[in-house]
Amino acid sequence: EIVMTQSPRTLSVSPGQRATLSCWASQSVSSDLAWYQQKPGQTPRLLISAAYTRATGVPARFSGSGSGTEFTLTISGLQSEDLAVYYCQQYNSWPFTFGPGTKVDLK
Amino acid sequence: EVQLVESGRGLVQPGGSLRLSCAASGFTISNYWMHWIRQAPGKGLLWVARSSPDETVTTYADSVQGRFTISRDNSKNTVYLQMYSLRAEDTAVYFCVRAPITPDAFWGQGTLVTVSS
Repeated sequence: EIVMTQSPRTLSVSPGQRATLSCWASQSVSSDLAWYQQKPGQTPRLLISAAYTRATGVPARFSGSGSGTEFTLTISGLQSEDLAVYYCQQYNSWPFTFGPGTKVDLK
Repeated sequence: EVQLVESGRGLVQPGGSLRLSCAASGFTISNYWMHWIRQAPGKGLLWVARSSPDETVTTYADSVQGRFTISRDNSKNTVYLQMYSLRAEDTAVYFCVRAPITPDAFWGQGTLVTVSS
């Protein structure tokens, strides 16, 4: 099973600033990496697939990068509506696995 | 309108069984991979099981392999998750999800399963 790790576990960011979230896989997942956003009381929302492809309707301030074992989600110009937990997830091999999540809150 | 409505929530004793249902509307499940993903209270996400459109491929997380079975009744447009030998660590909200990593991704609202004596 591929183990996904995320850092930091909590990220405090001022509105308008950049948030950088990191994700690592215990072995290469190529570009088979997705990012999800989950707000309190809501279901997860797919933001990014294939490491960098934004899902329909996702604002351009969200961008993904990386391949292999190291990935990054960048939120450029954080807005209050972006406060949430962000999960990375690999789908290169079954079982698909999620990282533990990074909580983004306001500084 | 696309909808996925899970049912079967409940409190069950350790070692017990429960069947979850996921009734789909607004689309035909026979055209999609369908998945169950769970989230323990205040915790992260675990991919539980998936089923190919024709049901020829079903795969499970290691932690539920041999205890859970995903199935579907395409005539009823419904997906099921039969759970046996339930453990406290299976306590979670169970989400039924259509094609999670595609532009057609859609999540149900989830149903809570509590395993406790």
